[in-house]
Amino acid sequence: DTGVSQDPRHKITKRGQNVTFRCDPISEHNRLYWYRQTLGQGPEFLTYFQNEAQLEKSRLLSDRFSAERPKGSFSTLEIQRTEQGDSAMYLCASSLALRPNEQFFGPGTRLTVL
Amino acid sequence: GQSLEQPSEVTAVEGAIVQINCTYQTSGFYGLSWYQQHDGGAPTFLSYNALDGLEETGRFSSFLSRSDSYGYLLLQELQMKDSASYFCAAGSARQLTFGSGTQLTVLP
Repeated sequence: DTGVSQDPRHKITKRGQNVTFRCDPISEHNRLYWYRQTLGQGPEFLTYFQNEAQLEKSRLLSDRFSAERPKGSFSTLEIQRTEQGDSAMYLCASSLALRPNEQFFGPGTRLTVL
Repeated sequence: GQSLEQPSEVTAVEGAIVQINCTYQTSGFYGLSWYQQHDGGAPTFLSYNALDGLEETGRFSSFLSRSDSYGYLLLQELQMKDSASYFCAAGSARQLTFGSGTQLTVLP
């Protein structure tokens, strides 16, 4: 399977703990995006990378969230000091830089903060 | 910023045609995309309109009117498997902004 993969698929944590998610994009895609989705809503943009450079972050993204894509391949999203409001599905997507509107999504990581 | 509006629910019968509308208010608008998402699944790209007019891909077509800040997704010959959420998304140079989605239910 050469699609976008995410790990873990599910994460349950206690409030105040740190969590880290991983995304492996389609290999030839140089753009990688992170979104958050809650029930009944569309994906909400968090941040994106072109190769290893983080080019945009949502103003909604608090300082507790950080993302990296150190070698321009896989990416990690870390949430520090989790809060119950962080409970959501975290989606990763990738695309070619020339076709940013055609994004391929991974299966997501469902985070539950107790 | 960008905001998009689409109906929350649409119901149709198998074999029918359904149109899902999307209006948007944007800055830096490049085009309108459509994605399908089944319950528990990931969004899947359906179509993209950068220019005014109709784009056809099999049973699905998408339309854009930049002057009206309006687009729609047209689904023909509905099948049960088309029951899903459909999102319009406004694209800029850097990101997509998604609408809240339209839940399509196809009845037998």
